[in-house]
Amino acid sequence: DIVMTQSPDSLAVSLGERATINCKSSQIVSKSSNNKYCLAWYQQKPGQPPKLLIYWATTRESGVPDRFSGSGSGTDFTLTITSLQAEDVAVYYCQQFDGSPPMYTFGQGTRLEI
Amino acid sequence: QVQLQESGPGLVKPSETLSLTCAVSGVSVSRDYWSWIRQPAGKGLEWVGRFSPGESLLYNPSLKSRVTVSIDTSKNQFSLELNSVTAADTAVYYCARSINSGFDIWGQGTMVIVSS
Repeated sequence: DIVMTQSPDSLAVSLGERATINCKSSQIVSKSSNNKYCLAWYQQKPGQPPKLLIYWATTRESGVPDRFSGSGSGTDFTLTITSLQAEDVAVYYCQQFDGSPPMYTFGQGTRLEI
Repeated sequence: QVQLQESGPGLVKPSETLSLTCAVSGVSVSRDYWSWIRQPAGKGLEWVGRFSPGESLLYNPSLKSRVTVSIDTSKNQFSLELNSVTAADTAVYYCARSINSGFDIWGQGTMVIVSS
């Protein structure tokens, strides 16, 4: 089975600074029919369901502020939050879709604090 | 606007079957991909299974022998059944739409406790 490992498990960043969360897959993340990596990022605040931020590794979901960006390839991916805002305090998850059998796998989560 | 709403018993006895329903509004359940995802308290997310009309059901291999996902087009909803539950199945269960290899629309989640 594919394992997604995020780092760090938690981090504290000052307001207005940059936060970087890494996600490493135990296997190369597959690509969709449009040649994009099947890798997504979510933000989850307490008592709420996760919110999709980034899909296909780099595509920002509609309505997501442009301070959120995704990058990476192969097995290593990154979520970057520039100019951190107070409302960005949350747990962030990466997720991939692939494998044999095909399935979705989440990282363990990274807690972001101010 | 697509919305999802989970419903079902909040308490299930060990060894019994957990049954949840996800009501879909704003789009026909006959299209798109629909998944169940769960999250034990204070822990991470675990995908349970996915249904899509005309395609094979997908299940998390660790749960496959106990999971059934089905669809009711007349009610525009899809369901989850997880049998032989144990305390380890205690979690918040979310239904979600699967799209672009991710999950773009989520229900608010429903807490299920397995306890006698």
